[in-house]
Amino acid sequence: GQQVMQIPQYQHVQEGEDFTTYCNSSTTLSNIQWYKQRPGGHPVFLIQLVKSGEVKKQKRLTFQFGEAKKNSSLHITATQTTDVGTYFCAVPFSKTSYDKVIFGPGTSLSVIP
Amino acid sequence: GAVVSQHPSWVICKSGTSVKIECRSLDFQATTMFWYRQFPKQSLMLMATSNEGSKATYEQGVEKDKFLINHASLTLSTLTVTSAHPEDSSFYICSAPTIPGFKQPQHFGDGTRLSIL
Repeated sequence: GQQVMQIPQYQHVQEGEDFTTYCNSSTTLSNIQWYKQRPGGHPVFLIQLVKSGEVKKQKRLTFQFGEAKKNSSLHITATQTTDVGTYFCAVPFSKTSYDKVIFGPGTSLSVIP
Repeated sequence: GAVVSQHPSWVICKSGTSVKIECRSLDFQATTMFWYRQFPKQSLMLMATSNEGSKATYEQGVEKDKFLINHASLTLSTLTVTSAHPEDSSFYICSAPTIPGFKQPQHFGDGTRLSIL
């Protein structure tokens, strides 16, 4: 089955520093989704990437899908305390999966004020 | 935006009790819903796919008789943890895509924290 890795597992940054998390798949992906889960909360959808080499921006967040569609990254510029949480990538369960996704292990971000 | 409501938010009960968790789609119809379990500091693990009008599909290693899923209407799926034991204590979350189909983002309920004493 599909396997997805995320690094790093944890990241502690000073407020204002940048942050990047990487997601890697063992197989070529049709799409990849990113979610954020605040401590004690539920995952919230951030974005979906579909095209090879795609780059999308949401304010201070930049999402990238690799050319081979096997990896993706999420970069946050000038982190703020509101960025604290765990960031998960989610990939299709299989090439024929219908809505079903599996979640990466997540990267937990701590921001020191 | 799309909203998924989950109830209850917290459950604390004695070992051996059965617990029912409800997941509702509030402003859209969900023919498919997903149930996840999340242990502290871990990722979401898919337990089962709830299909309206048919049997749920369970992931490998998930006991069907332990975790009963019913999807009786287009807006409601329920997960019943039968004869719960302390090892069943976890954060249970449901999700649903607003539009069934490939590559649709999931909208999550607030989750249910289950503590079995």
